[in-house]
Amino acid sequence: GQQVMQIPQYQHVQEGEDFTTYCNSSTTLSNIQWYKQRPGGHPVFLIQLVKSGEVKKQKRLTFQFGEAKKNSSLHITATQTTDVGTYFCAGHRGNAGNMLTFGGGTRLMVKP
Amino acid sequence: ETGVTQTPRHLVMGMTNKKSLKCEQHLGHNAMYWYKQSAKKPLELMFVYNFKEQTENNSVPSRFSPECPNSSHLFLHLHTLQPEDSALYLCASSQDLGGVNTGELFFGEGSRLTVL
Repeated sequence: GQQVMQIPQYQHVQEGEDFTTYCNSSTTLSNIQWYKQRPGGHPVFLIQLVKSGEVKKQKRLTFQFGEAKKNSSLHITATQTTDVGTYFCAGHRGNAGNMLTFGGGTRLMVKP
Repeated sequence: ETGVTQTPRHLVMGMTNKKSLKCEQHLGHNAMYWYKQSAKKPLELMFVYNFKEQTENNSVPSRFSPECPNSSHLFLHLHTLQPEDSALYLCASSQDLGGVNTGELFFGEGSRLTVL
């Protein structure tokens, strides 16, 4: 079955440093979504990427979808303590109905 | 407030108990989901309902039994669970748009289940 891997599992950064999490799928995806889950909270949708090579920005967050539509990344510039949480990617295959396959998540910790 | 409400927020049950988790969405979506989130595994999809018809059952043991009486309500009935079933159970809803434009998931706050 489809697998979505995320690295790293954990990342400690000093406030102000940059952070990147990477997502790799064993199969080609029709789209990829990113979610953020704060400690003790529930996943909240951030963005969806659909096109090969697509890049989208949300303030300090930059999302990329690979040319082969099998990998994606999320980059945060100049992290802040409010960025703390776990970031999940979730891939969707075109022939998989409503099934989104989530990666294991990257837990980001930011030291003030 | 996400528009998806789950009750109870916390549940402790013995292995012989029968309990139910409830989810209600106020967003007018046509698809609802149950996910399991445990400490050592990624978010695991359990069940999907489209227009209250079950479209996915992701090899979930029969001790978990879903029910979707209408497109706004989703239940997860629990019976003779095991301690390893202790986890956060998340309900989500989405608007299935068809094609490659998959609707985003709106998650509830989850039901934290502990099986003794």
